[in-house]
Amino acid sequence: KAGVTQTPRYLIKTRGQQVTLSCSPISGHRSVSWYQQTPGQGLQFLFEYFSETQRNKGNFPGRFSGRQFSNSRSEMNVSTLELGDSALYLCASSVMQGTGGSGELFFGEGSRLTVL
Amino acid sequence: KNQVEQSPQSLIILEGKNCTLQCNYTVSPFSNLRWYKQDTGRGPVSLTIMTFSENTKSNGRYTATLDADTKQSSLHITASQLSDSASYICVVTFTGGFKTIFGAGTRLFVKA
Repeated sequence: KAGVTQTPRYLIKTRGQQVTLSCSPISGHRSVSWYQQTPGQGLQFLFEYFSETQRNKGNFPGRFSGRQFSNSRSEMNVSTLELGDSALYLCASSVMQGTGGSGELFFGEGSRLTVL
Repeated sequence: KNQVEQSPQSLIILEGKNCTLQCNYTVSPFSNLRWYKQDTGRGPVSLTIMTFSENTKSNGRYTATLDADTKQSSLHITASQLSDSASYICVVTFTGGFKTIFGAGTRLFVKA
């Protein structure tokens, strides 16, 4: 069974540009959540999608957005990039909504974004 | 305020030795607690998951314990190996509301 796939793995952008990251969850998983990871902050929750609807959202500015398609694949977009957006962006899929109950998170390898 | 705090921040041990990592949380109401291992530059991988009623869970050389009364969990690694060098992240989930809080992690270095 294929794991969570994130693309691209690495990318470099300049300030002011925008970026779109993609995440394909494990087959049968309907929940996809996104996280930002920086050395000083650890994993920070961005948002979660279940059945094409955003169910939970973290404390990030509106420049960070996402969506989920009918096949459960998800994309996140960051507009007007800032230097501080440089981070590893992780996607996780889960069978259950909200990762609550006994649901387990399965993470992808991440997309490492560098903003110059 | 719901928080998850891990200690120590980093740890260096010799190969073959045991170690224990700590996780204290103030999350309420509690649903479950998970420990993840994250190798450098990779995504986290689940080690154990415990619900409120469980107080210990093992996965090979990894044993997690949970004291729901004191809101403390520990991850014990037995006979450490070089491949155990990684970050270990404690993750706590609320009941209802489906909120999850991540600890900042403990960075473990195992030296030969």
